[in-house]
Amino acid sequence: AQRVTQPEKLLSVFKGAPVELKCNYSYSGSPELFWYVQYSRQRLQLLLRHISRESIKGFTADLNKGETSFHLKKPFAQEEDSAMYYCALTGGGNKLTFGTGTQLKVEL
Amino acid sequence: GAGVSQTPSNKVTEKGKYVELRCDPISGHTALYWYRQSLGQGPEFLIYFQGTGAADDSGLPNDRFFAVRPEGSVSTLKIQRTERGDSAVYLCASSLEDGNTIYFGEGSWLTVV
Repeated sequence: AQRVTQPEKLLSVFKGAPVELKCNYSYSGSPELFWYVQYSRQRLQLLLRHISRESIKGFTADLNKGETSFHLKKPFAQEEDSAMYYCALTGGGNKLTFGTGTQLKVEL
Repeated sequence: GAGVSQTPSNKVTEKGKYVELRCDPISGHTALYWYRQSLGQGPEFLIYFQGTGAADDSGLPNDRFFAVRPEGSVSTLKIQRTERGDSAVYLCASSLEDGNTIYFGEGSWLTVV
């Protein structure tokens, strides 16, 4: 069975502070990991995926197979980063398993 | 519009009634997905189609739930004998066959009273 755990329901940081949204997963094979974001009154959208090894809007995430983690990081939070963030995995097929999400609030 | 379109955006129905939710995917996307999101939870997979056929329906909770995609484009999620526990946002998404980037609709909010 595949499972994604996001331990924090809410993360509040000040503008300019570093951000780390935690994600741990459980999967017996080689998963593909993703971060999705939902801004206020907008639809859920892909932020980044581990296989691309890209930085999107200043966010990065590294897959750590030893710790089964895929934490999302940004060195300096901006007000427009406030949103709901979901970590998700797939076992190579098209079916995504999502975590429960973390609400990021960036305060001025 | 170029995005995934879902109708209705909101639906209130009485317990025991039948409900249909419609999804219009992005043109050219062969894969179509249904997810359900309850309050405080992440989206939960229900079913996905490649073309007209259901490639994986392992997430459908019971036989009251059924989905079709007869022409490989628009899909309808059908819920029979609705229960209060069915209240949730039903999300539709679509992608190219490889599923590399999945695009979500805005969802249909279903409330069963």
